[in-house]
Amino acid sequence: GEDVEQSLFLSVREGDSSVINCTYTDSSSTYLYWYKQEPGAGLQLLTYIFSNMDMKQDQRLTVLLNKKDKHLSLRIADTQTGDSAIYFCAERLPVASGGSYIPTFGRGTSLIVHP
Amino acid sequence: GAVVSQHPSWVICKSGTSVKIECRSLDFQATTMFWYRQFPKQSLMLMATSNEGSKATYEQGVEKDKFLINHASLTLSTLTVTSAHPEDSSFYICSARDSWGRTYEQYFGPGTRLTVT
Repeated sequence: GEDVEQSLFLSVREGDSSVINCTYTDSSSTYLYWYKQEPGAGLQLLTYIFSNMDMKQDQRLTVLLNKKDKHLSLRIADTQTGDSAIYFCAERLPVASGGSYIPTFGRGTSLIVHP
Repeated sequence: GAVVSQHPSWVICKSGTSVKIECRSLDFQATTMFWYRQFPKQSLMLMATSNEGSKATYEQGVEKDKFLINHASLTLSTLTVTSAHPEDSSFYICSARDSWGRTYEQYFGPGTRLTVT
């Protein structure tokens, strides 16, 4: 199976909270990331969490990390239509590849926000 | 914030021709740049890691003679798709890591849409 798994779609109503879930397989992950990709664009780093943290909050974004279950979630409060995008979860392992630390991405969750 | 640009943003070429895509870090130096390929509805597939002044490290299954990567300076890496075929049509994204910045951050370019006819 894939190293990082996410559900492919999430649909929410504007103003509601969105929760995007991700599971990963390697317990030695050092950093876990959330990226946002808008249509036709590259990836934008939204937030990250270090593996020794359980929670991180940044304005409307809350990241929860359950290391025991290898589960990461991203909660977006008061979701707006501008939040519609693909959200990628990624893990970074402590082992270097080719001299650099490479994050492994999930397949992305398409968040659709409707009025 | 750190900005990575790609040029061109989209390109259409004929089968058998070569296409060069540029990736630039605009306001920081990047000793390491990465090239990804993204298929519709799918995740990013790392193609290669490019270190300034040395040969790129290609991921398994990526043909290094077909996807030529050059990282001649701290702000520029290029990906050349040689003898392109329709199956090479894809969205190519580069990213760069700030040489002096926080090691957990990786900045992505806006991507290049390649269509081979």
